Amino acid sequence: QITLKESGPTLVKPTQTLTLTCTFSGFSLSTSGVGVGWIRQPPGKALEWLALIYWNDDKRYSPSLKSRLTITKDTSKNQVVLTMTNMDPVDTATYYCAHRRGYCSSTSCYNWFDPWGQGTLVTVSS
Amino acid sequence: SYVLTQPPSVSVAPGQTARITCGGNNIGSKSVHWYQQKPGQAPVLVVYDDSDRPSGIPERFSGSNSGNTATLTISRVEAGDEADYYCQVWDSSSDHHYVFGTGTKVTVL
Repeated sequence: QITLKESGPTLVKPTQTLTLTCTFSGFSLSTSGVGVGWIRQPPGKALEWLALIYWNDDKRYSPSLKSRLTITKDTSKNQVVLTMTNMDPVDTATYYCAHRRGYCSSTSCYNWFDPWGQGTLVTVSS
Repeated sequence: SYVLTQPPSVSVAPGQTARITCGGNNIGSKSVHWYQQKPGQAPVLVVYDDSDRPSGIPERFSGSNSGNTATLTISRVEAGDEADYYCQVWDSSSDHHYVFGTGTKVTVL
């Protein structure tokens, strides 16, 4: 059974850097094809993909947030860490990590998230 | 970047069929996945690869994808299906990004 859980501060001040940790079990990030992603959701709004790291340390970022995001993995601890710099009140959201599933054919790749962590609400306020 | 557009809301009576659309440029050439999110809960995958269901998801949930529109269909709607639904694709043309739709609130009357 795959489980993921997010942890980190619930309140950060504007301009500070947010560091979130995703601790998972039931799979290894050293296994070929595995990935872990971060997605956020402002209160009452839609889901927004932020970043994803693959087993081979390939990293992908949302174009609109790329300059502020860094995603890393610690395979030995079964953890993925997301940092977001220069936090602003508009970054107030529930932040989720999720297990990436998918595969590639000869012509394309197919990627989705299952399962997700429970999420952690981060409020940005002075 | 790639954009996925969903209707903000869909209302349906119990026992009827709900259809939720997800519009995107030539989305039929991509693989579409659907998530259900109930209030205060994390999203749950209900359909992947256009029309496949994860284990534990009722057969009442089905999907299709063609042209510029993908559709999630919920047959014989139950009160417990009331939730927000999001479509998602992986966009290989834009540096391998993941894109979510704008979300649809399904209300069971």
